[in-house]
Amino acid sequence: QVQLQESGPGLVKPSETLSLTCVVSDYSISSGYYWGWIRQPPGQGLDWIGTIYHSGTTHYNPSLKSRVTISVDTSKNHFSLSLSPVTAADTAVYYCARRQFPGGFDYWGQGALVTVSS
Amino acid sequence: IQMTQSPSALSASIGDRITITCRASQSIDSSLAWYQQRPGKAPDLLIYEASSLHSGVPSRFSASAFRSGTEFTLTITSLQPDDFATYYCQQYYLYPLTFGGGTRVEIE
Repeated sequence: QVQLQESGPGLVKPSETLSLTCVVSDYSISSGYYWGWIRQPPGQGLDWIGTIYHSGTTHYNPSLKSRVTISVDTSKNHFSLSLSPVTAADTAVYYCARRQFPGGFDYWGQGALVTVSS
Repeated sequence: IQMTQSPSALSASIGDRITITCRASQSIDSSLAWYQQRPGKAPDLLIYEASSLHSGVPSRFSASAFRSGTEFTLTITSLQPDDFATYYCQQYYLYPLTFGGGTRVEIE
């Protein structure tokens, strides 16, 4: 059973950088699939942030593209999200997930709440 | 591509049959997934390729595609207590990947 676990600070100051890592267990990122980040502001719906392939190929949501970077470290079997600079509007639960191809996201992390506040 | 779900919320009883609709702003062929999200939990994949049941999903869930890849439905027959949740559709035909606004299924 593939498992994903997000980690990172739960509180980030405005104008600073949000950084999260997703550790993947029981599956090697190098074996394939796309790996993505999705966020959900409190009480709202789901927003796709971006996706990375094990080779490093990325796709980003144009609404965030200038502020977001997704990277992968196959040696540590994890991938990471960086969003900068942040505002209060970036307060959300951030999920990492594996994407089938073609298909939807079949395995998800439990989610990490990140609050942007001074 | 914009994804529009209807209704945004519905009330139903245990044992009811319900249908949720998702419309795409352009044809997405069969590149559609459905998710269930319970409060405080990550979404769970139910359906992919518009009508294929994901592994382990009960057969009371089914989905279809209509109107040349722009209209999709998710049907739950015989609602169970665990089915009261929010449901999202998502297209993966083109980047950026986009989700519908969600349909909250509540107990009547």
